[in-house]
Amino acid sequence: AQTVTQSQPEMSVQEAETVTLSCTYDTSESDYYLFWYKQPPSRQMILVIRQEAYKQQNATENRFSVNFQKAAKSFSLKISDSQLGDAAMYFCAYRLGGSQGNLIFGKGTKLSVKP
Amino acid sequence: EAGVVQSPRYKIIEKKQPVAFWCNPISGHNTLYWYRQNLGQGPELLIRYENEEAVDDSQLPKDRFSAERLKGVDSTLKIQPAELGDSAVYLCASSLEGPPSYEQYFGPGTRLTVT
Repeated sequence: AQTVTQSQPEMSVQEAETVTLSCTYDTSESDYYLFWYKQPPSRQMILVIRQEAYKQQNATENRFSVNFQKAAKSFSLKISDSQLGDAAMYFCAYRLGGSQGNLIFGKGTKLSVKP
Repeated sequence: EAGVVQSPRYKIIEKKQPVAFWCNPISGHNTLYWYRQNLGQGPELLIRYENEEAVDDSQLPKDRFSAERLKGVDSTLKIQPAELGDSAVYLCASSLEGPPSYEQYFGPGTRLTVT
């Protein structure tokens, strides 16, 4: 069975600094997708970034980028120039490719941003 | 474009009472998901619909939970009778299945408190 592990329950970063959130996963499949979701106190899950396993290039979305290490089954999220609005729970998620896959989430990392 | 709509946002009930949650997905999205998110955890899938058909309900506690998606649009999740352990946030998500990412869009969730 696929599993997703986030080993950092809480992280803190100074405004304008850079922070990296860790995620590892376990799968024997070769076709899958990885996601980072943000959940602010409003509870609405918002997709931050996604990575297709077949792509070697790391995904980037503005201030957000990932370090995807397929062999190590590692998928970390880097937030550059942190802003107060980045404070939230961040969830790493895995989805098997094809029509039968469901999202499997980690337990989340609570990110605090200090002014 | 309107997002995923859920109601109510909050619900407090006594144990053994019934409760129902409603979800209206993004227009045109054929796949609908119900997740349960316990405090301090990531969401876990309860049931997934493709159009009107429940294609994955393996994690749905069928003795007390039921769901329906009539006409392949909005959906209702019901618990009867509720137990203390059912206190959680119930999230609905929808997607337009297919590459490149099978991205899921989430609603704001319903926070259920069972007393």
